[in-house]
Parts: sequence; C-alpha cells; structure tokens
Amino acid sequence: SQQGEEDPQALSIQEGENATMNCSYKTSINNLQWYRQNSGRGLVHLILIRSNEREKHSGRLRVTLDTSKKSSSLLITASRAADTASYFCATYTANSGYALNFGKGTSLLVTP
Amino acid sequence: DGGITQSPKYLFRKEGQNVTLSCEQNLNHDAMYWYRQDPGQGLRLIYYSQIVNDFQKGDIAEGYSVSREKKESFPLTVTSAQKNPTAFYLCASSMRQADGYTFGSGTRLTVV
Repeated sequence: SQQGEEDPQALSIQEGENATMNCSYKTSINNLQWYRQNSGRGLVHLILIRSNEREKHSGRLRVTLDTSKKSSSLLITASRAADTASYFCATYTANSGYALNFGKGTSLLVTP
Repeated sequence: DGGITQSPKYLFRKEGQNVTLSCEQNLNHDAMYWYRQDPGQGLRLIYYSQIVNDFQKGDIAEGYSVSREKKESFPLTVTSAQKNPTAFYLCASSMRQADGYTFGSGTRLTVV
C-alpha cells in the first residue's frame, strides 16, 4: 500500500527559480527518503532524513521533516534544466515490513 | 564500477508465456527488491529478499515468482497468471533495509 503522497503532482518553473515539493504520509516512520527519476530510467537516491532529524542539506537540496504533521518537503534551489525529472518520496517503517513505500511522485519541468 | 544491472532493457511477451527478468548487483548488498511502475504511478513492491535463500511477498506478488540462490542475483519471473504484466520493472538493492536504495535502469515489459 502506498504511504507517501506528493504534492503537487506537476510543477513547472523557470531556470534559476526554486522548486518545492511536499510529501505527506500516514503512519509513523523510521526514515524518509527522496529519489529522482529521469524519464524511462531507474531512480536515483537523493537524500535520507531520519525521524529524529528536522532538516538536512545536500548541495542545492534541502529536506525538512515534520513528524508531528507527518510531512516532508524537498526544496531545490536555483533550478537547472537538468533538474527536470520526477521526484518521489519513500518512507521506511521497521515494524511494517522491510521495504520502502513510495508515493506517486511530483513531475518537475524546468524550462530555460 | 559497482552497480546493479537489469536485463533486458525491453522485453516482449506473448499471451500465456512466462518470462524472466534478470537483476544482478556487485555492491555486496544483502537486500534486494522488485518494484513495478505503471504510467504516472508510484512504485509498488512485488517481492523483496533480505538474505540468500529467503524472500517475502510484497503488495502485488500474485502472478510473479522470484529466487535468491546467490547474493548477487534476484531474478523475477512474470508468469502467465499475471493478467496485466505490461509495466516498467525496477530492481533495487541496499546494504540494510533502512538504507537508501540503488536502482537498476529498469526493464520495460510489453505483452503482444
């Protein structure tokens, strides 16, 4: 069953702008992960944030986690055309199976 | 270079045929996973394996079978019992269940 739900489903911005994607989930988690998928390709792991962490950075990526609201956000700063892809959040919960639950993703289009 | 290899990239199946998708990793990862992705959808878990000779059903295991005879290999068979097999199949691996996943580049299966 899918746990995470991304919002918006699609996002279109211009190069240089910031892109923000949100993820909401239903049950308690151990960690939340964000992945990128270019069209027709496999997913690439971007960042993992544990349930006891509130914010994490990696290059132009900033992820926040609010466990009280069961939500996370992914911010991509100074977007580039190469950031065009689908972005998925995935949750890991140790006591409900041993695999990640993925949302349906946000499709990001960055135009020059 | 370490990585995870899926083959073939494209596969065509006739009605009533069984087909096997290959997944091989040289990352020395213990856990391996199979997901199915339909257009505009997230990933749904088919099967996962935490160690050699052990695997568990995911959310949509009906019509699929797997084996884990070697640590490096986790092939997926799509049987004739799977009524709607046309999809993009993704294999992934991780050192531990809670870690980020490394994905293969996927196999696109089409029923003809």
